Amino acid sequence: DIQMTQSPSSLSASVGDRVTITCRASQSTSTYLNWYQQKPGKAPKLLIYATSSLQSGVPSRFSGSGSGTTFTLTISSLQPEDFATYYCQQTYDTPFTFGPGTKVDIK
Amino acid sequence: EVQLLESGGGLGQPGGSLRLSCSASGLTFSSYAMTWVRQAPGKGLEWVSAVSGPGGTTYYADSVKGRFTISRDNSKNTLYLQMNSLSAEDTAVYFCALDYGVGALPYWGQGTLVTVSS
Repeated sequence: DIQMTQSPSSLSASVGDRVTITCRASQSTSTYLNWYQQKPGKAPKLLIYATSSLQSGVPSRFSGSGSGTTFTLTISSLQPEDFATYYCQQTYDTPFTFGPGTKVDIK
Repeated sequence: EVQLLESGGGLGQPGGSLRLSCSASGLTFSSYAMTWVRQAPGKGLEWVSAVSGPGGTTYYADSVKGRFTISRDNSKNTLYLQMNSLSAEDTAVYFCALDYGVGALPYWGQGTLVTVSS
């Protein structure tokens, strides 16, 4: 199975900050990498699919990049509604494993 | 508007069985692969199982292989997860989700809680 790691596991940031979250895979996933946002008590929300494609309706301050084994999610200017937990997921090979999550909270 | 609604969660006995359902609307159900994802209390997301649009191809996480069975009835627009030999480690909120075609999941249900306890 492909193992996913994320760094940092948590971060504190202020509104307006640029935030970058890194996701690493134990082997290449090509560009089959997705990012989700989850708020407490809610289902996850797809933000980015296939490494860098923005899901419909997601603000353009979210972007994704990378390939192979290292990927990043960037929030260009953090907004109050962005405080949440973020998960990466590889869909290169089953099982389609998720990363452990990165919690973004208010500084 | 795509809507997914899970049901069937509740209290299960260790070693027992439960069957979850996910009713879909607002889409051509048979055109899309479907997935179950679970989240134990206070923990991260765990991909559990997936099934192809026609239903002939299934995939499982190692943690549930041999115990859980995913299936679908395209005539009823419904996805199922039969869970057998339940253990406390299966306690989680179970989400059904629609596969976008590259494994990404743009549509999710609200989740149903399964608690395994005696």
